[in-house]
Amino acid sequence: DGGITQSPKYLFRKEGQNVTLSCEQNLNHDAMYWYRQDPGQGLRLIYYSQIVNDFQKGDIAEGYSVSREKKESFPLTVTSAQKNPTAFYLCASTNRFQGNTEAFFGQGTRLTVV
Amino acid sequence: GIQVEQSPPDLILQEGANSTLRCNFSDSVNNLQWFHQNPWGQLINLFYIPSGTKQNGRLSATTVATERYSLLYISSSQTTDSGVYFCAVDTGTASKLTFGTGTRLQVTL
Repeated sequence: DGGITQSPKYLFRKEGQNVTLSCEQNLNHDAMYWYRQDPGQGLRLIYYSQIVNDFQKGDIAEGYSVSREKKESFPLTVTSAQKNPTAFYLCASTNRFQGNTEAFFGQGTRLTVV
Repeated sequence: GIQVEQSPPDLILQEGANSTLRCNFSDSVNNLQWFHQNPWGQLINLFYIPSGTKQNGRLSATTVATERYSLLYISSSQTTDSGVYFCAVDTGTASKLTFGTGTRLQVTL
């Protein structure tokens, strides 16, 4: 089955730690995205990548970092500089270079700072 | 940036009732999607609808791009329809989505 896999589903982080969230897709999509969702809110864009070895900041990139070394993978690191990291993180992908830009999402990772 | 407003923010229906959810956006968009977020947080694609009307079972959607709004119709609602419905628009720059704040739907027996 084609899809987007995020891991882990739940993640607990201590103050001052960096943690990395995994996102893998086997849809052969070119573009990948990370969004953050806070309770009762819509999603906000953290980072996106349109092609391997290239990525751009979204609206709330401070305290986060990403890499895109493979087309299938777009990991997100939440650094200790992120002041309020507790949130639900969703990864998405689109096949934007073939006309249809419909976005598909993974199941998300819930990050809690303890 | 573009603003996306959804209404109503909350909706409670009895099973079997119909409803209309609205999404207004402040600027031209390349594409628009409707999602259903289930209680476990997963975003389920409902419609990819930059313009026109589409139907999928009990759900249908209409986007009038020239007037900058989209409507999601739910007919004969079921308890499994409960959750949050999001509208998201793509303004064409790298297909980044801007989300509304959602409509929280509760369907009761």
